[in-house]
Amino acid sequence: DSGVTQTPKHLITATGQRVTLRCSPRSGDLSVYWYQQSLDQGLQFLIQYYNGEERAKGNILERFSAQQFPDLHSELNLSSLELGDSALYFCASSDPRGPDTQYFGPGTRLTVL
Amino acid sequence: AQRVTQPEKLLSVFKGAPVELKCNYSYSGSPELFWYVQYSRQRLQLLLRHISRESIKGFTADLNKGETSFHLKKPFAQEEDSAMYYCALTNQATSGSRLTFGEGTQLTVNP
Repeated sequence: DSGVTQTPKHLITATGQRVTLRCSPRSGDLSVYWYQQSLDQGLQFLIQYYNGEERAKGNILERFSAQQFPDLHSELNLSSLELGDSALYFCASSDPRGPDTQYFGPGTRLTVL
Repeated sequence: AQRVTQPEKLLSVFKGAPVELKCNYSYSGSPELFWYVQYSRQRLQLLLRHISRESIKGFTADLNKGETSFHLKKPFAQEEDSAMYYCALTNQATSGSRLTFGEGTQLTVNP
């Protein structure tokens, strides 16, 4: 168990809706990363937060946003959902003050109908 | 731009046979290379990190800067090694600590 937790495990919703995915990093990790895993795009980096601030952005759509709270947990908000947003969304955390290895959570499987 | 290529989408071997999963990369700067394993669409687990030079579950990987490769090897495959394997890199100088993944290789070890 890597210590990174994500909720919910599964999410089924309809097109046009908005959802929030939650991630709690390992104790002591200051960085949180979000990745999307889909069959056609593979594993893609979305966004990184470090100690509450956005650090890097990847292939994240404008309909998606994220934040990291003072207790270091993070939320990924997906809005105006489309069928193509169906994917596994992984969160990872690391401690840049140390080896900076990323440890992954179990993921949230999002299905948009 | 940095890129990770895993040329084999599928790889099938028999139990006890040697296995090699290929990974090539293109980069600018000094990348750090990783192998992650994913069992049945569960969480990704770190298998190897090139700077640590460890051997995990019998797997090893050598960074070949001349050939820009980081192939994963195991001398005797086991059925429990069946999983999806991803090669990935970070490049602090150009893109920070985000991981860039290859497309993955699905390894099946047959009894």
